[in-house]
Amino acid sequence: DAGITQSPRHKVTETGTPVTLRCHQTENHRYMYWYRQDPGHGLRLIHYSYGVKDTDKGEVSDGYSVSRSKTEDFLLTLESATSSQTSVYFCAISENMGDGYTFGSGTRLTVV
Amino acid sequence: AQSVTQLGSHVSVSEGALVLLRCNYSSSVPPYLFWYVQYPNQGLQLLLKYTSAATLVKGINGFEAEFKKSETSFHLTKPSAHMSDAAEYFCAVSDGGGGADGLTFGKGTHLIIQP
Repeated sequence: DAGITQSPRHKVTETGTPVTLRCHQTENHRYMYWYRQDPGHGLRLIHYSYGVKDTDKGEVSDGYSVSRSKTEDFLLTLESATSSQTSVYFCAISENMGDGYTFGSGTRLTVV
Repeated sequence: AQSVTQLGSHVSVSEGALVLLRCNYSSSVPPYLFWYVQYPNQGLQLLLKYTSAATLVKGINGFEAEFKKSETSFHLTKPSAHMSDAAEYFCAVSDGGGGADGLTFGKGTHLIIQP
């Protein structure tokens, strides 16, 4: 999607290793979100940010941490990856709720 | 807090037939309502949105949705299904605030188009 990119697009990692996913925006939007998408569960919010260095937990935050040192970058870190964290991860940005969210293309993470 | 219910995790229609995907919401204030579409291996794309203007909202690819306050519904329709409409569809609601309650999503409906 224009204005928001996620990297990497695909990653395979081993259990117990740390993993960092990156979300980069060029829209200067205030809010940034990390979701995971799993079959039967829809989208579940992991963490979100409402400004530089301002972050908070979502409904499935255990095992994840985030950082936002610049407006344009929102990093999601799996401290010690587990197989249950195998999922597709989406970043989203927003400035005005009337416009909804703009989503990135996703990162498919496999933990083996 | 808002909630969204999408009736039917899978909906199958024949090509050329009417598409109807159901969405009911609960919100304590006048809501913003959205439909997103997700094609395989892609992110979510905004299909249409309701933001308190006209109750019948037209979106991309021939889809439209009608906001019915009395029924707390925002069902998505398309008069004639096309094979390219096969995708996952998500309904979402917002009360206008940001943060964790920015958008609440339904669990999605997988639309299958039969030739």
